[in-house]
Amino acid sequence: DVKVTQSSRYLVKRTGEKVFLECVQDMDHENMFWYRQDPGLGLRLIYFSYDVKMKEKGDIPEGYSVSREKKERFSLILESASTNQTSMYLCASSFSDSQYFGPGTRLTVT
Amino acid sequence: QKEVEQNSGPLSVPEGAIASLNCTYSDRGSQSFFWYRQYSGKSPELIMFIYSNGDKEDGRFTAQLNKASQYVSLLIRDSQPSDSATYLCAAGTGTASKLTFGTGTRLQVTL
Repeated sequence: DVKVTQSSRYLVKRTGEKVFLECVQDMDHENMFWYRQDPGLGLRLIYFSYDVKMKEKGDIPEGYSVSREKKERFSLILESASTNQTSMYLCASSFSDSQYFGPGTRLTVT
Repeated sequence: QKEVEQNSGPLSVPEGAIASLNCTYSDRGSQSFFWYRQYSGKSPELIMFIYSNGDKEDGRFTAQLNKASQYVSLLIRDSQPSDSATYLCAAGTGTASKLTFGTGTRLQVTL
């Protein structure tokens, strides 16, 4: 079974803090993704990576950056958290087109 | 703008009935199609994928694809209360495995 894990299920941060969200997959998948999910807006792609040290912007990259130093780990960084970044953050990995999601991190920025 | 459209629902069906969930997509270059189930507060779980026109069956689930009409559907036979969830449709173009997701249809299976 594919296993994608995320570092935290719930996180509360203050405005202006730097926030790190970690994602690890154990299936040697090439591709990894970060999404945010908000009511009524669905899943929106923030960044994705198709190889170590490679990254590409998704649909809503503003205010975020990513890091992929090892194949199994993909990190999402909020450089200076803002209240409009309060959301559910979902990591996914894929080998072919089938994406498998981690459990999600519900981030609240106060 | 590539779009995947779904009726938000809720779609309410009685236990034991067939639930029919529909999805349309705008990008004719889409090659792969996926259905995910998402329970409240949980992450999406892949339940079906389909690449070719026609039907694909897996247990109580049948995915249907009509590329000419740009239409994908998911049928759930013998619906159970445990099927109550939001169902997300997604389309891929084969480029770095990127998918475009619909906003989901909420299904309620009533006793």
